[in-house]
Parts: sequence; structure tokens; C-alpha cells
Amino acid sequence: QVQLVESGGGGVQPGRSLRLSCAASGFSFSRYAMHWVRQAPGKGPEWVAVISYDGSKEYYVDSVKGRFTISRDNSKNTLYLEMNSLRAEDTALYYCAKSDDSLTGAGMDVWGQGTTVTV
Amino acid sequence: QSALTQPPSVSEAPRQRVTISCSGSTSNIGNNAVNWYRQLPGKAPQLIIFYDDLLPSGVSDRFSGSKSGTSASLAISGLRSEDEADYYCAAWDDSLNGVVFGGGTKLTVL
Repeated sequence: QVQLVESGGGGVQPGRSLRLSCAASGFSFSRYAMHWVRQAPGKGPEWVAVISYDGSKEYYVDSVKGRFTISRDNSKNTLYLEMNSLRAEDTALYYCAKSDDSLTGAGMDVWGQGTTVTV
Repeated sequence: QSALTQPPSVSEAPRQRVTISCSGSTSNIGNNAVNWYRQLPGKAPQLIIFYDDLLPSGVSDRFSGSKSGTSASLAISGLRSEDEADYYCAAWDDSLNGVVFGGGTKLTVL
């Protein structure tokens, strides 16, 4: 079945780095843009970044620009989020999500269960 | 302050109909598709409306979406207790070059 499984979360001190992974299965991963969305405790979802199906285009929320990098390895059906210079305000549950269609759209039709990052 | 504005909470009795509003601007709702998500406690958001008014496969037709100008609405008819959840609208924002979510609306079925 269609599935996204995140990993790599954990506790880290401010200023340090962390790399999240998202393993995809059950669909043609290389055909779809992919998103990272985070949700701080008790708050609503906040979009973090999106990458095009082939990795050629990326967009980020302003608060993570220059610190986070989204990437993908289509040969491994895996999405990544490299997070550097982490701050307390980056503490959240991080979800990866599959785009339902386009790169510049807000439709995400498959979500993982999330991985927790605590700074 | 979210780019998309939703009422923090709405409530209605079982079997009734409720609407949740989502107000934005020309850079997001006015020029891009609106999507709606439902989030149950401890679960990931679930897409329930895409491209303003389309239902994903498997989503009940008790849910419907609409859009006019820079505002959108989610309607839920025949309310059931299991509809109690947080609901979020989302759209691409051309000025921010990213996705913006509403602040969310907590639905209570009385």
C-alpha cells in the first residue's frame, strides 16, 4: 500500500544538525513533488519545504531558508531534510507528504506518521 | 498570524450542517487552489478537499468545498460525532513562494 515512513528525529542541542529521511513505497515516487510539513506541540501544521519530482526545484518557508535543505534520491525512493543551525523554535513533529499533483500546490494526499525533533 | 484566517472553533448539533470559512488574499486563495485537511488527535492531517471542491477517493460526500474570490468554505452535512476534529485550509502563496495553512478550526459536535 501507499506509505511514507519518516525517521531520523531526536533530541539535539541548539546550533547542531539533524538529517531526516522519508522512505516511500507503493507509488511511483519519482513522478511526484514531495513536501516536509512540521507541527509544533499544540499548534497547526506549518509547511517547511517542497522539492520537484526530479529534484531540480526547491522552495522553503522563510524561517528555514539557508539552514534547511530538502533533497531526494529517486533511486532509493527516499526524501531527505538536512537541518542545520537548529533552534528551539524548530522543535516539532516533522511529516513528509506526497504532492497530489503539482510542485506549486498545497494538495498533499499521502502523509507519513511523523518524526519528532526536539531542540 | 497565519496568511489564511479561519475561525478558531465552530459547533453544531448532530445531523445538522456546518460551514468553516477560510479567508486569504489574491496571492493565495485568489489565484491558487484551496485544499482542506482534517486532523484527528494524534494523527497526521488527511486531505479531504482538493482543487477547491474535489473529493479524494474514499472521502465522504458529506464534505464539500467552495471558493469565491479570496475566500473559501468547507461544509459538512449530516454531522456525526466522529467529525469532531481540527480542520485546516491550505493554498500555495505566490508572494511567499510556498504553502500557507490556516490557523485551524476545531469542530465540536454538540
